[in-house]
Amino acid sequence: AQTVTQSQPEMSVQEAETVTLSCTYDTSENNYYLFWYKQPPSRQMILVIRQEAYKQQNATENRFSVNFQKAAKSFSLKISDSQLGDTAMYFCALLRNQGGKLIFGQGTELSVKP
Amino acid sequence: DVKVTQSSRYLVKRTGEKVFLECVQDMDHENMFWYRQDPGLGLRLIYFSYDVKMKEKGDIPEGYSVSREKKERFSLILESASTNQTSMYLCASSLMGTGGLNEKLFFGSGTQLSVL
Repeated sequence: AQTVTQSQPEMSVQEAETVTLSCTYDTSENNYYLFWYKQPPSRQMILVIRQEAYKQQNATENRFSVNFQKAAKSFSLKISDSQLGDTAMYFCALLRNQGGKLIFGQGTELSVKP
Repeated sequence: DVKVTQSSRYLVKRTGEKVFLECVQDMDHENMFWYRQDPGLGLRLIYFSYDVKMKEKGDIPEGYSVSREKKERFSLILESASTNQTSMYLCASSLMGTGGLNEKLFFGSGTQLSVL
């Protein structure tokens, strides 16, 4: 069975600072994909960043980057220069193969304080 | 841009009622999904469909059924609503066969269902 675990239900960070959200997962597959989604108060899910498991290089998207540790099955999200608009629920997700069946973690609610 | 539209943003129903949650996507996507979102549990997959008239159970299908008579529409049905089905329901769609990093899900804005 595949699982995704986010052990931090809530986090807060001061504006302009850096914050890291943790995610661990479990899968027996060798080829898979990992994602971070953001859900602001509008409830619209937004894809933040994605990573292929066979790539060692960590993905980056502007202020967002990941630390992918395949052996440890860890996939953390780092947000640099936090902005008030980053306030949202963040979900880590695992995709085993084609077909779009994403397995989500429990979510981390991030508050960016002015 | 892909649009996934859920018919209601908020819905209040009584225990025992039959409830229909509708989802429509406008980009000819083959894949459609229904998730429920609960605090502390994240998103859990209820049902999904890879094609018209096709359906497969997700992780928590009990108490739900689905219908996909047309490619663009995927309905979630609560045959007899119960209070433990009070939740946020999210519909999503994606293009079949792109796989991997291109397997991007497009989500609707969710329906907050309260069963009293």
